[in-house]
Amino acid sequence: DTEVTQTPKHLVMGMTNKKSLKCEQHMGHRAMYWYKQKAKKPPELMFVYSYEKLSINESVPSRFSPECPNSSLLNLHLHALQPEDSALYLCASSPSSGNTGELFFGEGSRLTVL
Amino acid sequence: KNQVEQSPQSLIILEGKNCTLQCNYTVSPFSNLRWYKQDTGRGPVSLTIMTFSENTKSNGRYTATLDADTKQSSLHITASQLSDSASYICVAADYKLSFGAGTTVTVRA
Repeated sequence: DTEVTQTPKHLVMGMTNKKSLKCEQHMGHRAMYWYKQKAKKPPELMFVYSYEKLSINESVPSRFSPECPNSSLLNLHLHALQPEDSALYLCASSPSSGNTGELFFGEGSRLTVL
Repeated sequence: KNQVEQSPQSLIILEGKNCTLQCNYTVSPFSNLRWYKQDTGRGPVSLTIMTFSENTKSNGRYTATLDADTKQSSLHITASQLSDSASYICVAADYKLSFGAGTTVTVRA
């Protein structure tokens, strides 16, 4: 199994809603990532988890709250988002958090904030 | 300033033709150079990953080259197919990954 699975594929939410994005991998990877990608732009790193602990937070606003319940799962909790947060949110995993290993991306969750 | 610059920004080619995409990077110390293919609205898929000691690496009809001295890489697509229409992203790694803005390739029948 070489897949990173993200749900939901599409999400529409209001600015007062609370929602979550989910990511799952069963490759035994120890590092998991959240990226944000706006249209026609490259992915921007948001968070890195290494061995289930948050190792990098790229100064992301607190309305985005990551969670890593176990080594296979990664969540991104969303609350009080702004319309400019609308984007494709990509989850990725790699064997370790060093930048030498292959990075596997999920298909992404397309988020629209109204 | 972005540490990874890609050119051209976009290109259109006819099915069956070849094309070459360029990537210049300034990251240091350099660890590896990656090329990803991203279909519209989908996640990136890895094509190649090369360390400084590798000059060329192929993945089917995709061939990447790397010149670590000049800090340049290229991705050559041979005998293009309609399914090659996508954005191709160059990523250079030092202690983190730096993404280029991508080259959008459109293959026309």
